[in-house]
Amino acid sequence: EIVLTQSPTTMAASPGEKVTLTCRASSSVSYMHWYQQRSGASPKLWIYETSKLASGVPNRFSGSGSGTSYSLTINSMETEDAATYYCQQGSSYHYTFGAGTKLELK
Amino acid sequence: EVQLVESGGGLVQPGRSLKLSCAASGFTFSSFAMAWVRQAPKKGLEWVATITSGGSNTYYPDSVKGRFTISRDNAKSTLYLQMDSLRSEDTATYYCARRDTTVSHYFDYWGQGVMVTVSS
Repeated sequence: EIVLTQSPTTMAASPGEKVTLTCRASSSVSYMHWYQQRSGASPKLWIYETSKLASGVPNRFSGSGSGTSYSLTINSMETEDAATYYCQQGSSYHYTFGAGTKLELK
Repeated sequence: EVQLVESGGGLVQPGRSLKLSCAASGFTFSSFAMAWVRQAPKKGLEWVATITSGGSNTYYPDSVKGRFTISRDNAKSTLYLQMDSLRSEDTATYYCARRDTTVSHYFDYWGQGVMVTVSS
């Protein structure tokens, strides 16, 4: 099983601040996907295939990485970005999620 | 508009069974692989099962293999999860999710979730 380790577990950012969340895989994967989950809501696809923004995702978000190291970056934090973000890999039909990074507004 | 609506959750005793359903609409259900993903209270996401578009192949993590069975009825655009020998650690919100058609395997639409509580 491929284990995904997200860091940090929790962080707080001020409006306008640049934010970077990371996800490390225990083995190399071809792609990483990211989901946003706001409190009390279902997860939403946010970034797929490492760097493609899902429909409706603001372009202040970006994704990058390869192999075992991936990241999600917010260029300029906004109030609505406060949520938990999960990474997910889809190799070999057995999928795993990271434990999530809770991003709060400072 | 893609819609996934789960049902069938509730309170069940340890060792008993429960069957979840997910009614799909707004897309050609038979063209997409589908999955169940769960989230224990205050915890992260855990993939539970996947079924291919035609239903011929299914996949499970070790945590539920042999106890859970995913199935689908393409004529009814409905996905199912039969859960047997339930344990307290199966307590979670269960989400139905549509998997993309590419080889990269992400979940592009999610239902609102249904709560399953396993307790005596």
